[in-house]
Amino acid sequence: QKEVEQNSGPLSVPEGAIASLNCTYSDRVSQSFFWYRQYSGKSPELIMSIYSNGDKEDGRFTAQLNKASQYVSLLIRDSQPSDSATYLCAVNFYNQGGKLIFGQGTELSVKP
Amino acid sequence: ETGVTQTPRHLVMGMTNKKSLKCEQHLGHNAMYWYKQSAKKPLELMFVYSLEERVENNSVPSRFSPECPNSSHLFLHLHTLQPEDSALYLCASSQDHPIDRGVYNSPLHFGNGTRLTVT
Repeated sequence: QKEVEQNSGPLSVPEGAIASLNCTYSDRVSQSFFWYRQYSGKSPELIMSIYSNGDKEDGRFTAQLNKASQYVSLLIRDSQPSDSATYLCAVNFYNQGGKLIFGQGTELSVKP
Repeated sequence: ETGVTQTPRHLVMGMTNKKSLKCEQHLGHNAMYWYKQSAKKPLELMFVYSLEERVENNSVPSRFSPECPNSSHLFLHLHTLQPEDSALYLCASSQDHPIDRGVYNSPLHFGNGTRLTVT
């Protein structure tokens, strides 16, 4: 099992729809979870962090965390073509000294 | 200058060359990182410095040599690289590293990266 696993995509959604990005991780005691967005040819930028079970909303973005299921997701409401990018899930692995481990990323394409 | 800046943005080098990548952070952070990003692969952590001490070295070949002269600057010295080392090299910083304060919620702030091509 990969330490942090994401579907590589591409995930294609129409403009205005909800995009749902999923991530699973292997460390049951991980405490910190991050979503980064990376446009083609650019560096990753932090868009959300979440530390507690439940939902965390920031504008059109909602992060959802379920530690029991070792699952974190990112929902993007009212998707825009400018949201087209690769979304990276990152998890602090408590049992590896807090090492931040990234998934391979999910490519999202929002069609006008 | 704000954030994390990396130079050069692009680098083409032969296998016998020696070059260095530079990173500078203006965020007052205590930890700095080098990551390698190859096509279709997850970000690979190479080195971590916290409070100017190296705290992680993830089995990186010796042809990559990091240097952290102070908490704001990080270098990656390159020599006798191989074509498979061609990738995007990303520098990042964070306020703290878990090894120092047991803080696990410091996000990374990335520089724009250096696109390295080894010919």
